[in-house]
Amino acid sequence: DGGITQSPKYLFRKEGQNVTLSCEQNLNHDAMYWYRQDPGQGLRLIYYSQIVNDFQKGDIAEGYSVSREKKESFPLTVTSAQKNPTAFYLCASSPDRGSGNTIYFGEGSWLTVV
Amino acid sequence: AQTVTQSQPEMSVQEAETVTLSCTYDTSENNYYLFWYKQPPSRQMILVIRQEAYKQQNATENRFSVNFQKAAKSFSLKISDSQLGDTAMYFCALSASGAGSYQLTFGKGTKLSVIP
Repeated sequence: DGGITQSPKYLFRKEGQNVTLSCEQNLNHDAMYWYRQDPGQGLRLIYYSQIVNDFQKGDIAEGYSVSREKKESFPLTVTSAQKNPTAFYLCASSPDRGSGNTIYFGEGSWLTVV
Repeated sequence: AQTVTQSQPEMSVQEAETVTLSCTYDTSENNYYLFWYKQPPSRQMILVIRQEAYKQQNATENRFSVNFQKAAKSFSLKISDSQLGDTAMYFCALSASGAGSYQLTFGKGTKLSVIP
């Protein structure tokens, strides 16, 4: 089945550690996105990529990093510089980054700092 | 900058009844698209309905329909014959592109509870 797979579903991080969230899509979409969701805040864009080997910062990129070495993969690293990383993270994709395109989402990953 | 406002943080409806969720937006672009996404307790975001701003006809998708008032910048979602599976967070979203840039903005969501 076509879709977006995020892993792990739940992740715990100790203070000062970097962690990486995986996102893989088999929809042959060019554009991929990472969003963060906090209670009462809706979705906020962290990073996006329109094509392989290219990515751009979103509204809240500080403390995060990404790579786009393959079309189907867009991993997100939460670094120790991110002061409040506990949140729900959603990966998404769309055919391209045009305003008419529907964005499709993965099932999300919960990150908790312990 | 574009904005999306959902003024109802929480709503409830009796099963089989009809409910309307409100959304207002602001953008300076003429070409834009509006979406309603549903996020059930599983947390996966699911597209409910999509509306092109250049189309006057309101979009419908089975029990879901929208009331798109372009001049008022209003985009409400009507759910008819509410079912228990409709219990979820509902997010209104606006996407617009212009002057070489693209922006997608989500509202803060409305939590809908369907009561048996």
